[in-house]
Amino acid sequence: GENVEQHPSTLSVQEGDSAVIKCTYSDSASNYFPWYKQELGKRPQLIIDIRSNVGEKKDQRIAVTLNKTAKHFSLHITETQPEDSAVYFCAANSGGSNYKLTFGKGTLLTVNP
Amino acid sequence: KAGVTQTPRYLIKTRGQQVTLSCSPISGHRSVSWYQQTPGQGLQFLFEYFSETQRNKGNFPGRFSGRQFSNSRSEMNVSTLELGDSALYLCASSRPRQDGTQYFGPGTRLLVL
Repeated sequence: GENVEQHPSTLSVQEGDSAVIKCTYSDSASNYFPWYKQELGKRPQLIIDIRSNVGEKKDQRIAVTLNKTAKHFSLHITETQPEDSAVYFCAANSGGSNYKLTFGKGTLLTVNP
Repeated sequence: KAGVTQTPRYLIKTRGQQVTLSCSPISGHRSVSWYQQTPGQGLQFLFEYFSETQRNKGNFPGRFSGRQFSNSRSEMNVSTLELGDSALYLCASSRPRQDGTQYFGPGTRLLVL
């Protein structure tokens, strides 16, 4: 089955700096890669996703890149703010289904004022 | 539109008991997926239901089961509870289109004593 590795497990940055979180996946059939943000005690919220027919997608301060050949994708957050502090999860669909997601173990991002 | 709702939000059970959790998807969403979230294992896929049929299944023992009703509401059941079943159980619903975007509910936190 699909395996998703996520690094780093913790990341601390200064406000205004950029943050990068990287994920690798194993199933070459995966074609949907969402990123979720989960604040303490809250539900995971989709922040951005990318499909295999594109290499990069941006939404304001957030961008995701995908390298299908290398089977890795990354989340980039620019101009970080304290409210960006949360756990971020990457995921990949597996088993040929968009509705079965395999998640990475998460990255705890702390943005220091 | 109202978001995904889950009941109950918190539950305490003892080993050997069984539990039923409920999930109401966003109106118009027909796919409901269930995930178990623990500090050690992260987010793990349990199963997905669409039009009252289990369409995808994760690697959990048969003690974990689910069903979906004609109004797309879903329940999951865990029988013969074990201490290791203590977790946050999240459901997510998806739109009818095949894009797989999943929207999570707030979760049910289950504690098994």
